[in-house]
Amino acid sequence: DAKTTQPNSMESNEEEPVHLPCNHSTISGTDYIHWYRQLPSQGPEYVIHGLTSNVNNRMASLAIAEDRKSSTLILHRATLRDAAVYYCIPKAAGNKLTFGGGTRVLVKP
Amino acid sequence: DTGVSQDPRHKITKRGQNVTFRCDPISEHNRLYWYRQTLGQGPEFLTYFQNEAQLEKSRLLSDRFSAERPKGSFSTLEIQRTEQGDSAMYLCASSFTRLAGHNEQFFGPGTRLTVL
Repeated sequence: DAKTTQPNSMESNEEEPVHLPCNHSTISGTDYIHWYRQLPSQGPEYVIHGLTSNVNNRMASLAIAEDRKSSTLILHRATLRDAAVYYCIPKAAGNKLTFGGGTRVLVKP
Repeated sequence: DTGVSQDPRHKITKRGQNVTFRCDPISEHNRLYWYRQTLGQGPEFLTYFQNEAQLEKSRLLSDRFSAERPKGSFSTLEIQRTEQGDSAMYLCASSFTRLAGHNEQFFGPGTRLTVL
């Protein structure tokens, strides 16, 4: 599994964008980049994934570097409900999830 | 069916006792995963099933741990002779997995185990 590096924590004000970086320099060519988040006292939940192109969904956007060695999850307008630990997980299709330490996002009202 | 369910949500036991947890995945999901999460850490993979077959086990899964998915639906995770180090949140996830493409895993709320 590719090793990932994420900041331990980030703070944001409510209604402002949050950019969460992830380095995954050892990613293999067939690994998708997945992002999951874990709200307090809940199991993780899927956020978004991508392979090479930038991706958007109702929760977030994912910007993937051209060399695929890094990616950035973008929460366009953070709300208090977005306070969670966000995990970046490169993995091949069908493989288990290997969680690192993630980034704890604090959203201030 | 609204999602993955786990039972019990909390379990307190004394060291040396056996405990069993149950996971009910989303209907028709062919894969079921078990993870363990200790305080302040990300979840760690324990094992997974494709239908009723257990296809992979982590080195974390000592011989005191056993998991089953007898009919390819619900799964049980048993810990024998519990130790204080087994105290953790045990998470179950399921997915409908194809060989290629994205396979989102849906997680349950977890079972929090406390070993006294």
